[in-house]
Amino acid sequence: EADIYQTPRYLVIGTGKKITLECSQTMGHDKMYWYQQDPGMELHLIHYSYGVNSTEKGDLSSESTVSRIRTEHFPLTLESARPSHTSQYLCASSESTARNNEQFFGPGTRLTVL
Amino acid sequence: AQKVTQAQTEISVVEKEDVTLDCVYETRDTTYYLFWYKQPPSGELVFLIRRNSFDEQNEISGRYSWNFQKSTSSFNFTITASQVVDSAVYFCALSEVNYGGSQGNLIFGKGTKLSVKP
Repeated sequence: EADIYQTPRYLVIGTGKKITLECSQTMGHDKMYWYQQDPGMELHLIHYSYGVNSTEKGDLSSESTVSRIRTEHFPLTLESARPSHTSQYLCASSESTARNNEQFFGPGTRLTVL
Repeated sequence: AQKVTQAQTEISVVEKEDVTLDCVYETRDTTYYLFWYKQPPSGELVFLIRRNSFDEQNEISGRYSWNFQKSTSSFNFTITASQVVDSAVYFCALSEVNYGGSQGNLIFGKGTKLSVKP
C-alpha cells in the first residue's frame, strides 16, 4: 500500500495569506508531483521533481512554488492566496523516471480561498 | 503530440449492469504505457492497471476487464455487474515519452464520472 501523506486535508483561508501544503512519502521514491484538480475533474500537472534539489514546472502555469530539500518531502507554497487558487491539490510520487512506473497519490488537499 | 481522450463525461447505470469506459490515445512513440486510475469521492487516485504497448492481451481482474487495441489506439475498461461502490471518476493515462526529467510524467484524460444507482 502506498504511503503518501498530505496535510491539511481541508483548508479555508482568506485572500492574501501565505499557505504551505505539505506532502510526504515514506517509500523512498525519487520522483514527486503536484496536480491541481478543478471541480470539473480534469487533472493538471503544476510541478514535479525527479530528485533532491530538482524542481520543474508542469503543463499548467501556477503561481505556487515548490521545494525538494529531502527525498521524502515536497511542499507547495502560495505566497499570497487568491480565490482563483481554490481547488483540490493532489500530490503523487513514483519510484523513478521509468515510464512504466505508476504514480501513487495522496488523499489531496481541498483549498478554499475566500 | 500525445493526448488521451475520454469522450464520456458522465455515465449512469443501475446496479448489476455492465458498463464500458472508453479511452482513446494518441502517441507517435512505439513503446508506451497506459494506465487506469479510480478516484472515489474521498479524493485520492487509486492505481488500477498498467499495460505496455507490446502486450495486447486483454486482462481480467475480478469484475474488471481491459481491452487494449493498438489498431484503434484504444484501451477500454469494462466493469461487469456494477456495484454502488464502483461509483467514482475513472481516469485513463498515457506515459510521456520525453527523456530526462519529464519521462514518467503521465498525460491524463479528462475522466469519466460513473454513477451506479441501487
